[in-house]
Amino acid sequence: AQTVTQSQPEMSVQEAETVTLSCTYDTSESDYYLFWYKQPPSRQMILVIRQEAYKQQNATENRFSVNFQKAAKSFSLKISDSQLGDAAMYFCAWWGANDYKLSFGAGTTVTVRA
Amino acid sequence: DTGVSQDPRHKITKRGQNVTFRCDPISEHNRLYWYRQTLGQGPEFLTYFQNEAQLEKSRLLSDRFSAERPKGSFSTLEIQRTEQGDSAMYLCASSLVEAFFGQGTRLTVV
Repeated sequence: AQTVTQSQPEMSVQEAETVTLSCTYDTSESDYYLFWYKQPPSRQMILVIRQEAYKQQNATENRFSVNFQKAAKSFSLKISDSQLGDAAMYFCAWWGANDYKLSFGAGTTVTVRA
Repeated sequence: DTGVSQDPRHKITKRGQNVTFRCDPISEHNRLYWYRQTLGQGPEFLTYFQNEAQLEKSRLLSDRFSAERPKGSFSTLEIQRTEQGDSAMYLCASSLVEAFFGQGTRLTVV
C-alpha cells in the first residue's frame, strides 16, 4: 500500500513571507501523480498543484511551487508571498496511474500571521 | 455549477437509524471516490468506482456501509444501523486524473 507522510502538523508564517511544507511518500510504482490540496475552514478541498512523476520539471502555479525529488520520494510545497487567505490545512496526495487510488497524508495546518 | 455536488450537506440522525448520502460527480469524470474525514485529520479512503464498477473498498469499511454507482453516474453511500463513531464528514470526489471534491456531508449521530 502507498503511504504519504506529512511530518509537520502545523506551520506558521508571517504575511508576505515564504513557507515550505514537506511530504514524503512510499511507492514501488513508476507511473503516478502527486498533488497538494488546500482545505480552508469551510472544509471544501481545493486542488493547489499537481506533479506528474515522469516530469523532471517542478510544477508552479502562481505563488505555489513544488520541489519534486523522485529518487528521495519527496514532494514539498513552497508558498511564496504568503497571504491571509492561504491559511488552511494542506494535504499531500498520491495517485497511482495503474490502480487509480488516491491516498492522502495527515495534513499540515498553515497559520498566516498578519 | 458543474462541480461535484453532495446532498445533504448536514445530517443528524439517531443511533441505529440508516442514512443515505448522494454524490453527483462532474459529468465527464469516470472515477468517483468516497472518503471519511474527522476534524483535524486527513481524508480516509472508503471506496471508489470506475464508471459503475466498484474497484476497491477499504478494509475499514464495515458491512454496515455500502456504496453504489448505477449507470456510472451519481453515487450513493448508505450507512445502516448508524453508530456514534460514524459521526464525520463524508467527502465525495470525482476525477479523470486530479480529483475534484464536493463540499461534503457532515453526519452527526446522536
